[in-house]
Amino acid sequence: ETGVTQTPRHLVMGMTNKKSLKCEQHLGHNAMYWYKQSAKKPLELMFVYNFKEQTENNSVPSRFSPECPNSSHLFLHLHTLQPEDSALYLCASSQGLGGKEKLFFGSGTQLSVL
Amino acid sequence: GESVGLHLPTLSVQEGDNSIINCAYSNSASDYFIWYKQESGKGPQFIIDIRSNMDKRQGQRVTVLLNKTVKHLSLQIAATQPGDSAVYFCAENEPGGFKTIFGAGTRLFVKA
Repeated sequence: ETGVTQTPRHLVMGMTNKKSLKCEQHLGHNAMYWYKQSAKKPLELMFVYNFKEQTENNSVPSRFSPECPNSSHLFLHLHTLQPEDSALYLCASSQGLGGKEKLFFGSGTQLSVL
Repeated sequence: GESVGLHLPTLSVQEGDNSIINCAYSNSASDYFIWYKQESGKGPQFIIDIRSNMDKRQGQRVTVLLNKTVKHLSLQIAATQPGDSAVYFCAENEPGGFKTIFGAGTRLFVKA
């Protein structure tokens, strides 16, 4: 195990639903991230939190709303999603913030929007 | 677009052979590179990294080579095993920033 746990593993939702993805890291890291992984596309960075403060919102639509109550927990609240939002959503953490940090990923939530 | 890319989307090798996965990057200011492995149903996992002041680094059965002249990175896997079947991503640091920039990935198939 990587020390980063994501729930649920799979999620199917309609476009009018509201759901939340949860991530928890047990590594004592200070930075946490949300990535989107679509078929045949590079990993897309969505949000970055450092010491529970948001440092990056990578032009993500407002139907995705992150929340970081503390350095160990990260949520992604979803509402009125579109079918093209169907993807694997990966949470990651790193000791510090920076491109020279190793990222530790969870197993992801496979999201299907109907 | 992304500055890190991969030469081949898929690679098929015979079990026991050596595998070489290639990656090209476009930002000459990048000074840190990582290879990640993503198995089916899992998130990417760190394999090996290399800084720009090195041209080679070895791990257990894996070697990363960095050619800064042509901005090329490769991952060599010795004696490839079925458990090596996965998608491999190269990544570089964002110069002057804090992001990790990922390439598109290469899927490695290992034939028994």
